[in-house]
Amino acid sequence: DGGITQSPKYLFRKEGQNVTLSCEQNLNHDAMYWYRQDPGQGLRLIYYSQIVNDFQKGDIAEGYSVSREKKESFPLTVTSAQKNPTAFYLCASSMYPPSGRALAGEQYFGPGTRLTVT
Amino acid sequence: SQELEQSPQSLIVQEGKNLTINCTSSKTLYGLYWYKQKYGEGLIFLMMLQKGGEEKSHEKITAKLDEKKQQSSLHITASQPSHAGIYLCGADLGQGGSEKLVFGKGTKLTVNP
Repeated sequence: DGGITQSPKYLFRKEGQNVTLSCEQNLNHDAMYWYRQDPGQGLRLIYYSQIVNDFQKGDIAEGYSVSREKKESFPLTVTSAQKNPTAFYLCASSMYPPSGRALAGEQYFGPGTRLTVT
Repeated sequence: SQELEQSPQSLIVQEGKNLTINCTSSKTLYGLYWYKQKYGEGLIFLMMLQKGGEEKSHEKITAKLDEKKQQSSLHITASQPSHAGIYLCGADLGQGGSEKLVFGKGTKLTVNP
C-alpha cells in the first residue's frame, strides 16, 4: 500500500543531543514537508522540499536541519540549538507541480513522531 | 496574528445533533483544505474547496467556501461518535508559491453517545 511512514512513533532524548526523525513515502510525490504541532498551536511549517537536493525554510526553521538526497526520504534533525524541541512532529507529501491543478494538491500526512526531550 | 481563525476551539455535542465549524481568513483563500485528526495521529484529508461558492459533501460532512473566498464552514449532519476528533482547516494564501499551506489551530469535537 502507498503511504507515508514516520519512525519511531515515540522518541525520548536528553537535552543537548541531536536527534533525527525519519520520514519515507512511496507515493511518488515530489514535495515533502515537516510540521510541528503543539497543544493549542495548530501546525507550523518547519521545512519543505519540492525536489531532490533542494529545500526551503518554513516559518520555524531555527534549530532544525533537513536533507533530501532521495525522492522518497526527507529526514528531519532536531539539533541541540532548538530551545523547545518537545512536540509532535508530522511529515507530509504532495504532488508538485500539482497535476491538473493551479493550486497545491492535498497533502498526505504520516502518523507522526512524538519527541520528548528532558 | 493567526492568519486562519477556526471557531469554535472545542465543541461537545450529543449524538445525532448537527454542528458547524468555521474557518475564517482576512486574506483570499486560493485553496481551502479540511482535515481530521485523531489525537496523537496524522491528519486525514477530507475535502478541498477552490472556487467561491463551492460546496462539497462526503457522507454526512459538507464543506462550503463563501463567495468572497474568505470563509469556509464544515457542517456535520446527525453526528456520530466516529466523527469525534480534531478538525483543521489549511489554506493556500498565495504565499511564496502554491505549495505552502497555512493551518488553523483546530476544533476539537466530542460526540457523546
